[in-house]
This record gives sequence, structure tokens and C-alpha cells, in this order.
Amino acid sequence: AQSVTQPDIHITVSEGASLELRCNYSYGATPYLFWYVQSPGQGLQLLLKYFSGDTLVQGIKGFEAEFKRSQSSFNLRKPSVHWSDAAEYFCAVVTGNQFYFGTGTSLTVIP
Amino acid sequence: NAGVTQTPKFQVLKTGQSMTLQCAQDMNHEYMSWYRQDPGMGLRLIHYSVGAGITDQGEVPNGYNVSRSTTEDFPLRLLSAAPSQTSVYFCASSYQRGNNEQFFGPGTRLTVL
Repeated sequence: AQSVTQPDIHITVSEGASLELRCNYSYGATPYLFWYVQSPGQGLQLLLKYFSGDTLVQGIKGFEAEFKRSQSSFNLRKPSVHWSDAAEYFCAVVTGNQFYFGTGTSLTVIP
Repeated sequence: NAGVTQTPKFQVLKTGQSMTLQCAQDMNHEYMSWYRQDPGMGLRLIHYSVGAGITDQGEVPNGYNVSRSTTEDFPLRLLSAAPSQTSVYFCASSYQRGNNEQFFGPGTRLTVL
């Protein structure tokens, strides 16, 4: 069965520091991978996606993610975090017609 | 475009009551889906539809019904509400199949007493 693991439930970083959110997936074939962000009380917004090709993908708001097949990972990174990045982040894998989301990582940004 | 809209935003039910959560999209998307979001559980797929007249079950379909009579609308029905169905419900849509970017509605917060 397909699954997505986000090992970090909560992360706190200082504004201006770099950020890496981890995501591991379990899927036999090449997956379609997504990162979404959810601000408090809001729906989910797509940050970036990977279908094939270049394993380093750029997204909105200065985020990027790297697909590593050997590690079954799709980690999200940002070189310098802004206070407005405080939110919940979800990794997802889709197979066929079904999305499988991770349990999310909550990001706190301290000034 | 309004995107994906959901009504109501908040709802309180008593155990055993039934209700319908509404979802509509104006992007002519073929694929629509319903998720529930619970603390520490992420989003879990309840039901989805790949086009008008076609629906299928997701991970957690028990206690919920859906239908898709038009491309635009995808209502979710709770047949007999239970406290375990207290959750935030999100509707999403995407162009064609589910492996495309999904656009999410703002959510419906449901409490079952």
C-alpha cells in the first residue's frame, strides 16, 4: 500500500534560517509527489510538484524540493525562512486516482 | 472564477442527524474529491469522482455517500452522524485525473454532539 511519512510533527526555526522538511514515501513505481501548505483556518495550497525529469523542482514562495529515488524521499527546502511561512506543510503522493497525504509538519517561525 | 466553494463553513449536528455538505467548482474540472482532516492524521480521502455519474470510495468511506450528477457539484452526505465524524472536511478538484494538482475549498468544520 502507498504511504507517506513526515517524521517531524513540529519544527521551530528562526526567521532567516534555512529550512528542510522531510518526506518519505512508499510506492513501487515512480510516484507523483506534491507539497502543499495550509495556513491556519485555510484550505491547502500547492507549493510544488514532481512528476518526472529534473529531480530538483522549484515552487512558489521560494521553496524547492528534491526527489531522491534511492532514499524514497522528497524533502522540502527553503534557504531563508520568513515569518509568513509559519503554517502546516503536507507531503502527498498520488497513485491512479487517489492522493495519500502525510500527517503534516507544523512550522513555527521565531523572530 | 470562484474556484472551489464549500457550504456551510461551520455545522453542529446531533448524533443520528443527517446532512449534506455542498461542494461546487467552476473550473470545469472532471476530478473531484472529499477529504477529512483530523489532528495528527493528515488528510484522508473519503470519496472521489472522475466525472459526472462516476464515483468511487477512498480510504475512509463508511458513513458517507456521494453522487455526481453534474460536473460542477459533488455533495457529501452524512447518513446518520456520529461523534467520530467530527472533523474538518475539504473538497478538492483537479483537471482530469487525480494525478494533477488539486485545488482545495476552504473547508467545513463539522461537530457532532
